[in-house]
Amino acid sequence: AQKITQTQPGMFVQEKEAVTLDCTYDTSDQSYGLFWYKQPSSGEMIFLIYQGSYDEQNATEGRYSLNFQKARKSANLVISASQLGDSAMYFCAMRGTTGNQFYFGTGTSLTVIP
Amino acid sequence: SAVISQKPSRDICQRGTSLTIQCQVDSQVTMMFWYRQQPGQSLTLIATANQGSEATYESGFVIDKFPISRPNLTFSTLTVSNMSPEDSSIYLCSARVSYNEQFFGPGTRLTVL
Repeated sequence: AQKITQTQPGMFVQEKEAVTLDCTYDTSDQSYGLFWYKQPSSGEMIFLIYQGSYDEQNATEGRYSLNFQKARKSANLVISASQLGDSAMYFCAMRGTTGNQFYFGTGTSLTVIP
Repeated sequence: SAVISQKPSRDICQRGTSLTIQCQVDSQVTMMFWYRQQPGQSLTLIATANQGSEATYESGFVIDKFPISRPNLTFSTLTVSNMSPEDSSIYLCSARVSYNEQFFGPGTRLTVL
């Protein structure tokens, strides 16, 4: 069975500081993909970053990077130089090899403090 | 990437009525999906909208309650039928462009009184 775990229901970070949002996963698939989405209070889901299980390099997209540790089954999101607009819910998600299911974690609420 | 729009963005409905949500993608996509996000919760897949055939529903969701149409590769509708307050949620349309690209619409925030 596929499972995504986000253990931090809420996080606070000072503006301009870096923050790490934790995500661990469980899967028996050899090939899988890991995704992070941002959901502001408006409700839209904004795609941030993707990491494939066979990617040797950690994914980066601007201020977002993914700390992928395959042996530990973790895919933590690192946001550098936090901005007030980063305040939102962040969801980690996984897709396995087969099926249409996109497994989501329970989310982490990030608040950036001025 | 894909840009997805949804209508309406929000609605307040009376118990027992139905609401149809429209989803438009700016490019042709093979796979479209409908998700529900109950207050304070994560996303749950309702169904895969199949073009030219009946939608594929996940466990706990049935066609009579959530009929879905997919007339072409850029458009889909989800109807929430015979609504009750428990149906109050955000409903999100999603489109898969490739294995590593799945985008979501802005969501429809539904409140049932």
